[in-house]
Amino acid sequence: EVQLVESGGGLVQPGGSLRLSCAASGFTFSDYWMNWVRQAPGKGLEWVANIKRDGSEKNYVDSVRGRFTISRDNAKNSLYLQMNSLRVEDTGVYYCATTNQLDYWGQGTLVTVSS
Amino acid sequence: PVLTQSPSASASLGASVKLTCTLNSRHDTYAIAWHQQQPGKGPRYLMKVNSDGSHNKEDDIPDRFSGSSSGADRYLTISSLQSEDEADYYCQTWDTGFGVFGGGTKLTVL
Repeated sequence: EVQLVESGGGLVQPGGSLRLSCAASGFTFSDYWMNWVRQAPGKGLEWVANIKRDGSEKNYVDSVRGRFTISRDNAKNSLYLQMNSLRVEDTGVYYCATTNQLDYWGQGTLVTVSS
Repeated sequence: PVLTQSPSASASLGASVKLTCTLNSRHDTYAIAWHQQQPGKGPRYLMKVNSDGSHNKEDDIPDRFSGSSSGADRYLTISSLQSEDEADYYCQTWDTGFGVFGGGTKLTVL
């Protein structure tokens, strides 16, 4: 059974940093592109970033490029999102998801950016 | 926008509903994926719909859910509506270097 478990969310002040993690199991992690998707309170889904199977290619939505860094450790079956210079508008639930078509999702971790 | 969805739809219990996701002209041959988000829950992948109308659905998705395509439009049809189908439905597409969602359709089951 595919499982994705996010962690690392919390309350942070504007300008601060957080590192999200996603622990994967039940599939060959290194075979798949991985994504981060977020959802602001009461809003729709927003694709944030993705990373190629071997980590050699990374892509970001314009609003986070230069502030967020996606990475992965295939030996640990883990995906990460380093979030720096956080803004109030980065508040939301962050999900990790597999493949381009996002066929498996985690349960999400809540990030709150507030003073 | 790359993907356009109507903000809301409604249909009666036991009836059918067809949700539409329209790709812009630059991306009108792209495949899309449909995702369901029930109230208070995380998203769930339903199926991929290709430009030729073919679709692949996960085994745990009921046969009441089906996909189709016409031109730049991609559809999700839900038949024999049940109360648990009341949810937000998002279409999503991707290419090298990006992913994008439609704004979502809130489905109300009357």
